[in-house]
Amino acid sequence: DTGVSQNPRHKITKRGQNVTFRCDPISEHNRLYWYRQTLGQGPEFLTYFQNEAQLEKSRLLSDRFSAERPKGSFSTLEIQRTEQGDSAMYLCASSTRAGATTDTQYFGPGTRLTVL
Amino acid sequence: AQSVTQLDSQVPVFEEAPVELRCNYSSSVSVYLFWYVQYPNQGLQLLLKYLSGSTLVESINGFEAEFNKSQTSFHLRKPSVHISDTAEYFCAVNSGGYNKLIFGAGTRLAVHP
Repeated sequence: DTGVSQNPRHKITKRGQNVTFRCDPISEHNRLYWYRQTLGQGPEFLTYFQNEAQLEKSRLLSDRFSAERPKGSFSTLEIQRTEQGDSAMYLCASSTRAGATTDTQYFGPGTRLTVL
Repeated sequence: AQSVTQLDSQVPVFEEAPVELRCNYSSSVSVYLFWYVQYPNQGLQLLLKYLSGSTLVESINGFEAEFNKSQTSFHLRKPSVHISDTAEYFCAVNSGGYNKLIFGAGTRLAVHP
């Protein structure tokens, strides 16, 4: 396995701009999660996919946020009309191969977003 | 609702001393418990996990944690720390449903020479 990868690693944008992040999970993992981590805090759950279906969304995910996983492989997280409060590390995790008996989430390196 | 409390935001310790990072959780159902470590400017790495069976779990780098159901705790311990253990440590709980993780606020372990 090559691990979970995320791109870009860093993104600096101006308030009001749109940004999109990409996550490539571990091969054959059918579950994919997005979390947000602000400075000095633990990660907070944003949303969850099983294959291409988005099955749960946190109340933290306002209508400016949208996530997709169109083919059940990679996922994108888009933030429209960014605000300074969106500045955070966005983490992606994946888990579970078919037939696995345990469900451990493996995290990518994260995308650090700074909104000026 | 589930929650995780890490009782210490920072733990300073000298190299080769023992350390304990405390974690308490609240949940009304069976849980899976995890400790993740985060080095500066990096993502989370799984340190160890409790899923079932033996209540004492160990990692490959000398950390161990004990699941205590009666005290709803999952404290992390190491008998002798190294400078390289300096990092942020997060305790997390995962129970049923879609298996999302609920994290504590983290404990910053600072190992001094």
